[in-house]
Amino acid sequence: GAGVSQTPSNKVTEKGKYVELRCDPISGHTALYWYRQSLGQGPEFLIYFQGTGAADDSGLPNDRFFAVRPEGSVSTLKIQRTERGDSAVYLCASSLMPAGGEDTQYFGPGTRLTVL
Amino acid sequence: DAKTTQPTSMDCAEGRAANLPCNHSTISGNEYVYWYRQIHSQGPQYIIHGLKNNETNEMASLIITEDRKSSTLILPHATLRDTAVYYCIVRAPANAGNMLTFGGGTRLMVKP
Repeated sequence: GAGVSQTPSNKVTEKGKYVELRCDPISGHTALYWYRQSLGQGPEFLIYFQGTGAADDSGLPNDRFFAVRPEGSVSTLKIQRTERGDSAVYLCASSLMPAGGEDTQYFGPGTRLTVL
Repeated sequence: DAKTTQPTSMDCAEGRAANLPCNHSTISGNEYVYWYRQIHSQGPQYIIHGLKNNETNEMASLIITEDRKSSTLILPHATLRDTAVYYCIVRAPANAGNMLTFGGGTRLMVKP
């Protein structure tokens, strides 16, 4: 079946601009996660949605970052007033989120954001 | 979630078994061991996970020690396409916090 998809695959923007990154999770997955990966590092957690609500946004670095998931499926990560330090690969993952027990996250290919 | 320790890098000859170790000495009783890999310029790919018992799927085998303080991921016949960074992650069940905490991983280089 179709996996997690992310668009665009690459985004180049100028410092100070606003960007939106989109994630389409696996159909039927109720949980959706955003991670950020800087060059040479492992992915770092940003935010997690259970359905439409953000269950944990503790990883968002500051208030320039915001994410929504209005219908419990597609999610958009929004970055205002971009800075050069925001340049990274932004990864999205989704999971079924069964009640208790193990839960496997499946990742998309990522969006490479470059802020000039 | 418990912290994991992995070697920074490993080499393996093509066609041979690749054995990737992971230490997780502070693992709790309800925490699972997950393995992901990341091939250059791609998103992390799920490989396998386990709680107590050894596990095998079409990609790999996972051997967890009886005290659960360490595990080994085994790729039985490594190919050049298995060259990637391999992440060992310890994670509580879904209802106890859901983020994956990635460490530095092991960079596996499969050589012809």
